[in-house]
Amino acid sequence: AQSVAQPEDQVNVAEGNPLTVKCTYSVSGNPYLFWYVQYPNRGLQFLLKYITGDNLVKGSYGFEAEFNKSQTSFHLKKPSALVSDSALYFCAVSLWGTDKLIFGTGTRLQVFP
Amino acid sequence: DGGITQSPKYLFRKEGQNVTLSCEQNLNHDAMYWYRQDPGQGLRLIYYSQIVNDFQKGDIAEGYSVSREKKESFPLTVTSAQKNPTAFYLCASSTLRQGENQPQHFGDGTRLSIL
Repeated sequence: AQSVAQPEDQVNVAEGNPLTVKCTYSVSGNPYLFWYVQYPNRGLQFLLKYITGDNLVKGSYGFEAEFNKSQTSFHLKKPSALVSDSALYFCAVSLWGTDKLIFGTGTRLQVFP
Repeated sequence: DGGITQSPKYLFRKEGQNVTLSCEQNLNHDAMYWYRQDPGQGLRLIYYSQIVNDFQKGDIAEGYSVSREKKESFPLTVTSAQKNPTAFYLCASSTLRQGENQPQHFGDGTRLSIL
């Protein structure tokens, strides 16, 4: 069965420092991987996706993610965190030929001034 | 601007009552989805539809029903059979393009509570 794991419920980082939000996946096939962000009482906003090609994917708001097939990971990164990046982040996976997404449980990012 | 509109933003249900959550999109997307969000559990798929007049159950369909009479609309009914309906409900839509899964676009949700 397909699954996504976000091992950290919360990540704390100081403003200006680099941040990483971790995601690992388990699928029986080639994965399509996504990152979304959710602000309080709002829907999810798409940040970036990996389909094929370059393992480093660049997305919105300066975020990027690195696909690592051997470690089945897709960690979200940003070189310099902003207080406004504080939100709930979701990793999701789907398989080619299906449009159903499987979401992780989310990681709350807190950036301190 | 194109987007997904969910209404109402807050909804209260009495015991034994059915309630319907609205979801409308003007993105001309083929597929629409309903998710339930509970704290610490991420998003779980309730129902989805890839075409008008057709829909499929997701992982937690029991106690819910949907319809897809128009491409733009995908209302969700939370029936009295759903014993724990308190949650944040999110509607999403996406295009369907063979060979490349497209991102889903989300509405701003409806928060349902029990009176």
